[in-house]
Amino acid sequence: EAQVTQNPRYLITVTGKKLTVTCSQNMNHEYMSWYRQDPGLGLRQIYYSMNVEVTDKGDVPEGYKVSRKEKRNFPLILESPSPNQTSLYFCASSREINEQFFGPGTRLTVL
Amino acid sequence: AQSVAQPEDQVNVAEGNPLTVKCTYSVSGNPYLFWYVQYPNRGLQFLLKYITGDNLVKGSYGFEAEFNKSQTSFHLKKPSALVSDSALYFCAVRPSGYALNFGKGTSLLVTP
Repeated sequence: EAQVTQNPRYLITVTGKKLTVTCSQNMNHEYMSWYRQDPGLGLRQIYYSMNVEVTDKGDVPEGYKVSRKEKRNFPLILESPSPNQTSLYFCASSREINEQFFGPGTRLTVL
Repeated sequence: AQSVAQPEDQVNVAEGNPLTVKCTYSVSGNPYLFWYVQYPNRGLQFLLKYITGDNLVKGSYGFEAEFNKSQTSFHLKKPSALVSDSALYFCAVRPSGYALNFGKGTSLLVTP
């Protein structure tokens, strides 16, 4: 089954404790992206990657890091999480200009 | 600035009635336009897209959208709403490259 998976689905952590949210897709898509969803703000892009070893900042990259060492994986790293990073995070992938496939989301709470 | 706007936070419609969820965009050049739906506790699902060609685009679950270049709009429509259509709907524009700019979303509530 074609899908984008994210782990964990839910995470409660404390300020400053480094965490990684994994994202993996099995569709051989070149493009992958991370979004955060906040009430009243819709989805905002954090980082994106057009292929292996090619990443770039989206609209709200501060406080986040990403890497793309393999085509299928695109982890999101929060080196020192803060409460304002409490949000619902989505990973997505696509081939060229076609529609993006979204993962199920990761709900992160930073205390 | 290149962006997309959804002017309504919520749309209420009775089951069986037609529905419209509005979207306008501001993009230089020829836009790629998308609609996505998000059901509670789920990720976004693709509904339909406009790249080029016929201005009326048909998508999943009986939805369609009309691209209007002069009004820079891409409204989502369905002739007869179902209670199960109740969800959060996002319009998105792809100004260039791969990035998507999303609207803030419109909550659709279909009442029996």
